[in-house]
Amino acid sequence: AAGVIQSPRHLIKEKRETATLKCYPIPRHDTVYWYQQGPGQDPQFLISFYEKMQSDKGSIPDRFSAQQFSDYHSELNMSSLELGDSALYFCASSLGRGGTEAFFGQGTRLTVV
Amino acid sequence: AQSVTQPDIHITVSEGASLELRCNYSYGATPYLFWYVQSPGQGLQLLLKYFSGDTLVQGIKGFEAEFKRSQSSFNLRKPSVHWSDAAEYFCAVGGHSGGGADGLTFGKGTHLIIQP
Repeated sequence: AAGVIQSPRHLIKEKRETATLKCYPIPRHDTVYWYQQGPGQDPQFLISFYEKMQSDKGSIPDRFSAQQFSDYHSELNMSSLELGDSALYFCASSLGRGGTEAFFGQGTRLTVV
Repeated sequence: AQSVTQPDIHITVSEGASLELRCNYSYGATPYLFWYVQSPGQGLQLLLKYFSGDTLVQGIKGFEAEFKRSQSSFNLRKPSVHWSDAAEYFCAVGGHSGGGADGLTFGKGTHLIIQP
């Protein structure tokens, strides 16, 4: 069965650079969520989208922005990268937002040097 | 604000022995509770979830969890662990919309080690 696809799987950037992470949800899923997991940490909710509109916002820095496109894929844009942004970034998708299971991708590991 | 506490950072269990991972939550309303498992370098896989109804929920891979409102707990159990169960386990609470992963708050995780 198709799963959530995240690209790239690994990314190395220098401080102050920008990065774009992509998430392709499971076909027909209309809701996408982004989480950040620092080394040895629990995942922290960043932001979510439902039907291409932002539906919930967590601890996302102002330097980050995200959107969901007409084909439901989502991109997380990160600017002025800092060393502390090094983390595993997970995307999850679900069909609707009520009482449904969200499926997580394998994540993008971002390293800022 | 919602929060999740997993008191055990590491747990070591012998293969074939029973397992219980503890989870306590704080949430202002009826909680939506989840257990996820994460193998090294992998994504998060949902083991089971509780939204309402029967307080004992069955999940995949032989796991179950019991919701106890009076104790604000949602402990994960398995009667007999296998070496392949070694992983990081996360308890989570939330779901503003009643489901999915909106605004999930995760615990710090419990690292499960299986001894031969």
